[in-house]
Amino acid sequence: ILNVEQSPQSLHVQEGDSTNFTCSFPSSNFYALHWYRWETAKSPEALFVMTLNGDEKKKGRISATLNTKEGYSYLYIKGSQPEDSATYLCAFITGGSYIPTFGRGTSLIVHP
Amino acid sequence: GAVVSQHPSRVICKSGTSVKIECRSLDFQATTMFWYRQFPKQSLMLMATSNEGSKATYEQGVEKDKFLINHASLTLSTLTVTSAHPEDSSFYICSAQVLTSTDTQYFGPGTRLTVL
Repeated sequence: ILNVEQSPQSLHVQEGDSTNFTCSFPSSNFYALHWYRWETAKSPEALFVMTLNGDEKKKGRISATLNTKEGYSYLYIKGSQPEDSATYLCAFITGGSYIPTFGRGTSLIVHP
Repeated sequence: GAVVSQHPSRVICKSGTSVKIECRSLDFQATTMFWYRQFPKQSLMLMATSNEGSKATYEQGVEKDKFLINHASLTLSTLTVTSAHPEDSSFYICSAQVLTSTDTQYFGPGTRLTVL
């Protein structure tokens, strides 16, 4: 069983604050790392697909970095807004099986 | 684009009955569909991977005779929970993948199953 950990489990911030959270995964046999945003009562929505060590991707106020050698990815949100409130999931994909293993997610609540 | 629907969104059934959940990719062809189960405060647990026209691959510990998966076309996969029992009550969610294994998965909205 692969160990994909996300921290913190939950996070409360004020509107305008910048925040970040972590996804850690095995450093061996890396293939890809996905980030998803899951709003309540909606489908999880893909944010980023990261495949190369050192990757840095950005989508509006959200960005992510990847370190495959040490086995972690950071997700950053700049100037959080209430609409950013959601659970953020990462999924680690190994070479060979290509089966995704999800972390438990980080629940972000942005207070107005 | 890339919308996945899942039906029903919520189902309550009596113990011993079978429940079928449909997962459809509405505007693309999905070569692979995944079925997940989520227990409260837990991560999404992969149950099985299905490819169109072939038998599903089940994860260890998932009973294939209990959770029947059919992937009859590139846009439809179904999960049937046979002879459901209260311990099968959970949140079931499907996802569809287009082509390559690095492609993102497009998720349905999930189905909340409650077995009385």
